[in-house]
This record gives sequence, C-alpha cells and structure tokens, in this order.
Amino acid sequence: GAVVSQHPSRVICKSGTSVKIECRSLDFQATTMFWYRQFPKQSLMLMATSNEGSKATYEQGVEKDKFLINHASLTLSTLTVTSAHPEDSSFYICSAQGGDRPYEQYFGPGTRLTVT
Amino acid sequence: GQNIDQPTEMTATEGAIVQINCTYQTSGFNGLFWYQQHAGEAPTFLSYNVLDGLEEKGRFSSFLSRSKGYSYLLLKELQMKDSASYLCAVRAAYSGAGSYQLTFGKGTKLSVIP
Repeated sequence: GAVVSQHPSRVICKSGTSVKIECRSLDFQATTMFWYRQFPKQSLMLMATSNEGSKATYEQGVEKDKFLINHASLTLSTLTVTSAHPEDSSFYICSAQGGDRPYEQYFGPGTRLTVT
Repeated sequence: GQNIDQPTEMTATEGAIVQINCTYQTSGFNGLFWYQQHAGEAPTFLSYNVLDGLEEKGRFSSFLSRSKGYSYLLLKELQMKDSASYLCAVRAAYSGAGSYQLTFGKGTKLSVIP
C-alpha cells in the first residue's frame, strides 16, 4: 500500500512555456502533499505544503505565482511551473501523507524537468 | 533554524560494515528518518527513530540520541546495490491539519567497491 505516482516522469519544454506535473496517491487519501525540488548532487528542498481544499503554504524564496499548486482532491495534487526558464530545470518530487500511517511521507518517483 | 549535517561521501568494501552519521539542530523534534536514494530516483524509506536507541531492520540499523542531536545508519554485509545516497531527515515543523514537514540533510553518497 501507500503508492504515490507522478506524471510525467520526464518532460522537456521550451523556455517561456508552462508545464504541469501531477502527483497522485493511488491507494490512500492524502490529506497533505508536499512538493520538493532537487538540484544535482543536492538534497531535497521543500517548496510547498498543500492540504486538500486549501491554499498551499510556500517556503521562503519560492514564488507562488511561478509554481502554482492545486490540491483539488484527496488523491491528486498538481504543480504547474509557469513561464519556465532553464534555471527551473530540476528533479521535482512529491510526497503524500495520510492513510493508515498519517505521519509518514510516501514519495512519488519524481519528474525530471528540462527547460531548453 | 534547521541544520542537518552528514558526510558528503563515503566508500566501503563489499561485505563490510559502514556507519553513516547525522547530526542535527532543529527547532522541535518529532522523529528522524533515513532514506535511500539512487541516482535519478525518488527516496525510499529505510528507517524511523523517535525514541533514543537502536532500531534494527535486517541489514540496516539506525540509532538515535536526542540529547546529543545525533543519529547513525549502520549498513551490514554491504552489497554493490547499496551504492546510493543516504538522506537523513528530521521531522520538526508542524504544518497544520495533522501534517509534519521533513527537513533533509544533503545526503551521503556511498560507494561500495569490490
């Protein structure tokens, strides 16, 4: 149990376009989802925390107008990178919290974004 | 503030034992996690400590001392597939609605050699 999926796994887009990444909890209801970004050889940096049905809480330094997060249901959260630039190229990972072990975070497989 | 330190890289021999240390200074503490991450993949859960002492799980063990702000991950009978990054993460901040945030260290890249 506690499977989290992400789609797409890899995406290449042109500078100036927007990209949407989906995070789904497949077999449990995720009351909270977290979005992380990881640059090469760096650790995971928390971008934002989202609770179903409410606005996401962004970490300091993360632009909420650039990284739009929607957590419309207990099984789906989306991250949209708007007007992407090459410096947004990174590995984006979501995690979900809820189910039988509500204090654990279950990680998705990640999305590799490359902006050309 | 939150500060989590762990060595950047370690090398060990197949079949041996290796200990990866983690020290932390955080505002609040609700548990410490160890994750394994292979290159290009998401982290996978290895262990969780919330009380002082040793938690053993097969070839992997994790130790916690809350008074010292210290943990270690012990890997026994090393295999080549254990080559990966090992992330220490502290659950400290309450983010509302029953959820807690994790703060990650930069990870220790372990290379297992024949």
